[in-house]
Amino acid sequence: GDSVTQMEGPVTLSEEAFLTINCTYTATGYPSLFWYVQYPGEGLQLLLKATKADDKGSNKGFEATYRKETTSFHLEKGSVQVSDSAVYFCALTPTGGGNKLTFGTGTQLKVEL
Amino acid sequence: KAGVTQTPRYLIKTRGQQVTLSCSPISGHRSVSWYQQTPGQGLQFLFEYFSETQRNKGNFPGRFSGRQFSNSRSEMNVSTLELGDSALYLCASSSTGGGGIYEQYFGPGTRLTVT
Repeated sequence: GDSVTQMEGPVTLSEEAFLTINCTYTATGYPSLFWYVQYPGEGLQLLLKATKADDKGSNKGFEATYRKETTSFHLEKGSVQVSDSAVYFCALTPTGGGNKLTFGTGTQLKVEL
Repeated sequence: KAGVTQTPRYLIKTRGQQVTLSCSPISGHRSVSWYQQTPGQGLQFLFEYFSETQRNKGNFPGRFSGRQFSNSRSEMNVSTLELGDSALYLCASSSTGGGGIYEQYFGPGTRLTVT
């Protein structure tokens, strides 16, 4: 079945540091890929998405590129802020659409001053 | 537009009891999905309802069930609660459940504790 693997956390960075959170997936065909963020005590918010190979999703300074050849969708941000501290989840929906999300285990990000 | 609402936000139940959780989707959304979030298993898909029909189901025992009403509101029920059912239950709504990519909006969740 489909699966998503992302790097273990927590990741601790200083403010203005560069962020990379690795994500790789296993799925047939061309799934759609997502990054969700969860702030303490809240539900999930969609951060960005990409629906086909070589697409780049971007939002709020975060970016991720759908790499079919390496089955990856790594999340990056050039300069993190304290307010970016949260748990980040990589996820996919299957080829052909549908709403069933398969999530990675989540990566906690802590940004310090 | 109001977001996805879930009630109650917190719940404490005893092993063996049953529980019903409610989810009201964003107005106009017809698809509602449910997820269980635990520290050990992470986020796992329970089921999805679209126009009152279950469209998709995850790998959970039959103790977990759901339904959707004509106004798209959804409930999930867990019977004969076990300690391992303690989790955050998240509901997500989307404008459609068909082909294509549609953003899903999550509610804040219901925190269920089974003692």
